[in-house]
Parts: sequence; structure tokens; C-alpha cells
Amino acid sequence: GNSVTQMEGPVTLSEEAFLTINCTYTATGYPSLFWYVQYPGEGLQLLLKATKADDKGSNKGFEATYRKETTSFHLEKGSVQVSDSAVYFCALSNTGGFKTIFGAGTRLFVKA
Amino acid sequence: SQTIHQWPATLVQPVGSPLSLECTVEGTSNPNLYWYRQAAGRGLQLLFYSVGIGQISSEVPQNLSASRPQDRQFILSSKKLLLSDSGFYLCAWSPDREAEAFFGQGTRLTVV
Repeated sequence: GNSVTQMEGPVTLSEEAFLTINCTYTATGYPSLFWYVQYPGEGLQLLLKATKADDKGSNKGFEATYRKETTSFHLEKGSVQVSDSAVYFCALSNTGGFKTIFGAGTRLFVKA
Repeated sequence: SQTIHQWPATLVQPVGSPLSLECTVEGTSNPNLYWYRQAAGRGLQLLFYSVGIGQISSEVPQNLSASRPQDRQFILSSKKLLLSDSGFYLCAWSPDREAEAFFGQGTRLTVV
């Protein structure tokens, strides 16, 4: 079945550090891939997405590239800010179903 | 523009009491609708999804049920709450099976 695996957290970084959160997936067919962000006490917001192999999604300085050969969609940001502290979820949505599958989430703490 | 409303924001209920959480979507028609649960410090678990009025698919057998009495209304219910039902419940919608999901603000349920 479809699944998403992302690195365990929490991840603690200093402001302006480089961020990578790893995400790999298992899916049949050609899924769309997403990163969502959840700020404390809130619902999830879409951060970026990619719908086919080699696509790069980007938003607010974050980016992720759909790598079909490694079944990965790692999230990166060159310089994190305190305001980026949140929980990040990798997710996929496949043509074979009507649902989005989420990873377990990675909590990011950014220190000033 | 489309909006999603979910209420209440917080709820404290005794064990054995009933539950009804409501979610409505505005500005679209025939959305796919979802209920997720997020236990403390964990990822999202898909509970139910619906592709149309009266069509409900359950992902995990449990103490909860869902209904879709109208096109843009999705209700999560329980006849008798358990302590293990505590968590953060999120309603979401998507325009089609491969698109990103849009989330409500969530309901934090504490069963005491």
C-alpha cells in the first residue's frame, strides 16, 4: 500500500542554519507529493507540492524536488527563521484512492 | 473563494457521553471530505473520507462514525466517548483525488 516515511524529530536549529527534512514514499503509479506545515494549535497548511517526477515545489524559501528514482521528496531551506518553528508533514495523494497519506510529522525548533 | 469551517475549537467531554463535531465547506461543490485525528506528538490518522452525499469510507474500525447529510457538510459522531478518543480532530476537503487538501482549524477534544 501507499506510505510516507519522514525523519523523526524534533529537529533543533539555530537561526539562519540550513534545514533538511527527509521524506521517502511508497506508492503505486504516479502520486502527487506535498509538504504541509502546522503551527501550534492550528490546522495544516499546504507549504508546497509537486505533481510529477523532477518537479520542484517551492514556497517561502522552502523547496523540495520530486525524485522518482529515489522515491524521495526532501524538504530544504537555506536559512531558517524562528518563525519557521512548526511541525512539517510530508504527504502523498495517489490516483488509486481518494485520500492523502501523511507522514508522522517532524517538529522543528529554531532558536534565535 | 473556498473556506472550511470546523467547530467547536475545543471540547471537554466525560467518558460515555456522545460527540458531534461539524465541518462545513463553502465556495465549492462536490468536494472530497476527510476527518483526521492527530494524537499528541504523533502524525495524522485518516478516520473517514467521503466522495459524495451519504458515501462514507472508514479507514480504521473504532468508536466513531461519520455522516454527510449535505454536499458540503461532514459530521463526526460517537455514541459513547472513550478516554482514547482524546486528540486533535481535523476536517479537510479537496477538489479531487490528487489535489492538495485544505484543512479546518481543528477541534481539540479532551475526554475526562
